[in-house]
Amino acid sequence: AQSVTQPDIHITVSEGASLELRCNYSYGATPYLFWYVQSPGQGLQLLLKYFSGDTLVQGIKGFEAEFKRSQSSFNLRKPSVHWSDAAEYFCAVGAGGTSYGKLTFGQGTILTVHP
Amino acid sequence: DAGVTQSPTHLIKTRGQQVTLRCSPKSGHDTVSWYQQALGQGPQFIFQYYEEEERQRGNFPDRFSGHQFPNYSSELNVNALLLGDSALYLCASTLTSRYTDTQYFGPGTRLTVL
Repeated sequence: AQSVTQPDIHITVSEGASLELRCNYSYGATPYLFWYVQSPGQGLQLLLKYFSGDTLVQGIKGFEAEFKRSQSSFNLRKPSVHWSDAAEYFCAVGAGGTSYGKLTFGQGTILTVHP
Repeated sequence: DAGVTQSPTHLIKTRGQQVTLRCSPKSGHDTVSWYQQALGQGPQFIFQYYEEEERQRGNFPDRFSGHQFPNYSSELNVNALLLGDSALYLCASTLTSRYTDTQYFGPGTRLTVL
């Protein structure tokens, strides 16, 4: 069974500082990996995804993530955080083929940005 | 191009009642998935509908059922509501033929069971 672990429940950074959110997954085959962001009371917005190819993936809003198969990780990074980045971030893994639609999410990491 | 829409936005029910939530997929999408997000948790997969049939199901009891209509819209029904069913219910849509496509999420329906 696939699973996702986000070790950090809550992270606080200062505006302009760099950010790294951790994500570890468990899946038997090549995973499809996603990062979503959720603002309070809102649905999920896709930041980026990895299916194959280049292990460094660029997303929206200046975010990037790196797939490391040897570490079963897919960490999200941003070089300079903006106050508007404060939200909850979810890492998710999806299976391939006809099962691709089922996403398994981590518990989420709440990001607080100090001015 | 309209995204995924859900109705209603909020809903309050009492234990034992039944509820129906509705979802319209993004234009051009034919597959709808439903997720339950309890407070402080990540979303959990309930089931997925494609070609008007349930294609996959997560670990949810039979009290949770669904339907997909010919226009690809979908309903989620929950019978015999429990306090623990209080959550944000998210609908997501995608296009099955493009298996590397992503799932686009709606804003959700907040269900409160008293």
